[in-house]
Amino acid sequence: AQSVSQHNHHVILSEAASLELGCNYSYGGTVNLFWYVQYPGQHLQLLLKYFSGDPLVKGIKGFEAEFIKSKFSFNLRKPSVQWSDTAEYFCAVNGGGGSTLGRLYFGRGTQLTVWP
Amino acid sequence: KAGVTQTPRYLIKTRGQQVTLSCSPISGHRSVSWYQQTPGQGLQFLFEYFSETQRNKGNFPGRFSGRQFSNSRSEMNVSTLELGDSALYLCASSSKPGAEQFFGPGTRLTVL
Repeated sequence: AQSVSQHNHHVILSEAASLELGCNYSYGGTVNLFWYVQYPGQHLQLLLKYFSGDPLVKGIKGFEAEFIKSKFSFNLRKPSVQWSDTAEYFCAVNGGGGSTLGRLYFGRGTQLTVWP
Repeated sequence: KAGVTQTPRYLIKTRGQQVTLSCSPISGHRSVSWYQQTPGQGLQFLFEYFSETQRNKGNFPGRFSGRQFSNSRSEMNVSTLELGDSALYLCASSSKPGAEQFFGPGTRLTVL
């Protein structure tokens, strides 16, 4: 079965600082990768996705992520965070194929707090 | 386009009761997945439906069941509720299995 690891449970940054959140997964085959964000009091929203092609993908609100297949990683980055980025961030990977394709495996989430 | 809707948003039940949660996917989406979110276990997959067929089921007891209707709307049922079933139940829809999933606001179930 697939497993997803997010290295940081809680990250605290000041506004304008750069952000990098780590995500590693275990399955070695073809996967689709996602980052979701959950703002306080809101539902999960898709931040960005990777299916194939350019391993550097850009999402909404200035976020980007890089897929490194050799490291089984899909790290999320943002050059300059804002107070409004305070939220919980989830990395997710789908099952890889067949009947598991629609099943998302989630990391435990990283709570990001940005101080103004 | 309207997003994924879930009803009810909040539910309080007592142990031993059963509950049915409802999900309406984004118009045109035929795949619906359900997840349980708890502080202790995080987000865990319950099941996935596509064209009224269950394609995949997570590691949950048989008390958890679901179904999908011909209009792609889905329901999940939990029978003989236990305290540990208290959680946020999330529904997500996608155009097809493997495509990006869009989540609803969830149903907060509290079991007393």
